[in-house]
Amino acid sequence: QVQLQESGPGLVKPSQTLSLTCTVSGPSVSSDSYYWNWIRQHPGKGLEWIGYIFFSGNTHYRPSLKSRVSISVDTSKNQFSLNLGSVTAADTAVYYCARGSSDTSGFLSYFDDWGQGTLVAVSS
Amino acid sequence: QSVLTQPPSVSGAPGQRVSISCTGSSSNIGAGYDVHWYQHLPGTAPKLLIYGNNNRPSGVPDRFSASKSGTSASLAITGLQAEDEADYYCQSYDSSLSGYVFGSGTTVTVL
Repeated sequence: QVQLQESGPGLVKPSQTLSLTCTVSGPSVSSDSYYWNWIRQHPGKGLEWIGYIFFSGNTHYRPSLKSRVSISVDTSKNQFSLNLGSVTAADTAVYYCARGSSDTSGFLSYFDDWGQGTLVAVSS
Repeated sequence: QSVLTQPPSVSGAPGQRVSISCTGSSSNIGAGYDVHWYQHLPGTAPKLLIYGNNNRPSGVPDRFSASKSGTSASLAITGLQAEDEADYYCQSYDSSLSGYVFGSGTTVTVL
């Protein structure tokens, strides 16, 4: 059974870096079968994919966030993390971590397990 | 503004059938990328409902079905139940945006 749990500060000041960690129970984050993702939901809005990391260390980020975001993996703790720099109020959202699975071509396709989400507010 | 467009809300009486559309374009659904559907109750983890256009993960009732055609997809819920009240999102990949995109979301209300 897969479980994902986000953790991190619920309040971040403008211009600082938002840092969240996702602890995975079940599959190893070093498995070559899955992609490890961050997705967010602004208040009252829809879902927005932020980026992923693959076991090889390869990452792919949402182009509009690429200059500010990085995702990393800690295999010793079976965790992966999100860092989003230079945050503004527009980054206030519920942040979800999610496991992604690929289609037959090996290309990330969908998100089959999610964490409960954690609300991060950006405010002074 | 979401790349994939869904109706904001749909409603139906218990036992009825409702359908949710997901309209994309030639750079996402129309380009042949798969469509997936999620059920989300606020405050909980979103749940994968349909993957690969029309496949149900283990444990998802067969009351949920989906299809894809051209630049659109749709999710159908038959035999609507009170527990189906939730937000539903479609998702695909967009080659122009070089990223994964979600629909605007549809709230299903059971009357």
